[in-house]
Parts: sequence; C-alpha cells; structure tokens
Amino acid sequence: DQQVKQNSPSLSVQEGRISILNCDYTNSMFDYFLWYKKYPAEGPTFLISISSIKDKNEDGRFTVFLNKSAKHLSLHIVPSQPGDSAVYFCAASPNTDKLIFGTGTRLQVFP
Amino acid sequence: GAGVSQTPSNKVTEKGKYVELRCDPISGHTALYWYRQSLGQGPEFLIYFQGTGAADDSGLPNDRFFAVRPEGSVSTLKIQRTERGDSAVYLCASSSTGLPFQANVLTFGAGSRLTVL
Repeated sequence: DQQVKQNSPSLSVQEGRISILNCDYTNSMFDYFLWYKKYPAEGPTFLISISSIKDKNEDGRFTVFLNKSAKHLSLHIVPSQPGDSAVYFCAASPNTDKLIFGTGTRLQVFP
Repeated sequence: GAGVSQTPSNKVTEKGKYVELRCDPISGHTALYWYRQSLGQGPEFLIYFQGTGAADDSGLPNDRFFAVRPEGSVSTLKIQRTERGDSAVYLCASSSTGLPFQANVLTFGAGSRLTVL
C-alpha cells in the first residue's frame, strides 16, 4: 500500500526552464509534507516543507504547492540549474514520529 | 559531530551471517531514526528512538532485525541470519525534537550499503 506516490521516475529539463515534480498521497491524515533531495552516495537532504494548513510555500527558486482536495503536491524549481540534478523524494507525516517517502523522481537538468 | 555518521559505508556478507550497522547522530539530537532504501524505492521506515527507548519499531520487517541505543546517542542496527532480500542501503537520521513533527526535520547520514550474497 503505497501511501505516497511519485508516478514519474524521471524528468529531464533544460537549464533555465522550470522543473515540476509531482507527488500524490492517499492518507487524508497527513498534515505535513516535505521534499528531500538526494545525490548519489549521500543521504537525502531536506529541501522544503509545507503544512497542510497552507497551499504554497516558497524558498528562493523552490516552491511547493499543496492541493488538499486532490491530495496532490508539487515542487517547482525555477530557474533549473545543472546542480539541481538529483533524485527528489516527496515525504509525508501523519503527525507522528515517522516520515513516509515516495519512490523518488530523478531530475536531470541539461545545458 | 557535524553530521550523522554511519559505519561501515559498505558491507558485503554471506547469507546467514550476522551484521551490525552503526549510527552516530548529531550531538544533542534526541531523536534517531533508521530507514531502509531498496533499489528503485524510497526510504522505508524501520524504527524510531526518542532518547534510549524505541518509541516506534513498527517498521522492523521481522524478528531478525533489532536496534539499540543504550546511552541515547550512538545506535546499532543488528540483523541476524541475513537473507539476500536484506540487501539495501540502511539510512540513519537524527533530529533535535520528536513530536510535534512540524518542528522536526530529519538530517540523514550517507547510509550503509549492505549486500548479502
């Protein structure tokens, strides 16, 4: 039972353009959502988060949008840079001690 | 330490052997988590410690898996009678708080890659 789903395993975007990574969830009890970024041979690093009481959170080039009625969130990166190439994980928390992760989307930003 | 440290970074073992994986969290972090990431999957929760006690071990797949944190800092994940399906990257994370989760961002280590032949 995959409660957090990232249906696109990979995404390729040209440098300077917008990258949009999507995530769907099934558990309406989730109340906090996070995006993590992972480079090869490193652990995931926290990128940005959003509470379920908000619909948007912005931090520099990164914006996360939450649509609770659709149980959908997305991460927008604009402008995309080659250093953004990594695997991005969506994660959710039902206000408990653990995060539930999606399967990840590999983003490649090419010149 | 400056970050979460995990040792060994790589471990190759034979089916049936016993394995220990160590995690040294960020100094002062009371909460410690173990996750497992199999190929092509996201991190999967195993167990969570708040201080010395396991607050939630619901993710441990079976009784071959056990974890301890005797002094509230370093933790060891122990796997008995390893099976090929245990092959994965085992990630440790720590945070300065547990609940409420809104204040709790996990900092991950680089992971221990376990290969069971």
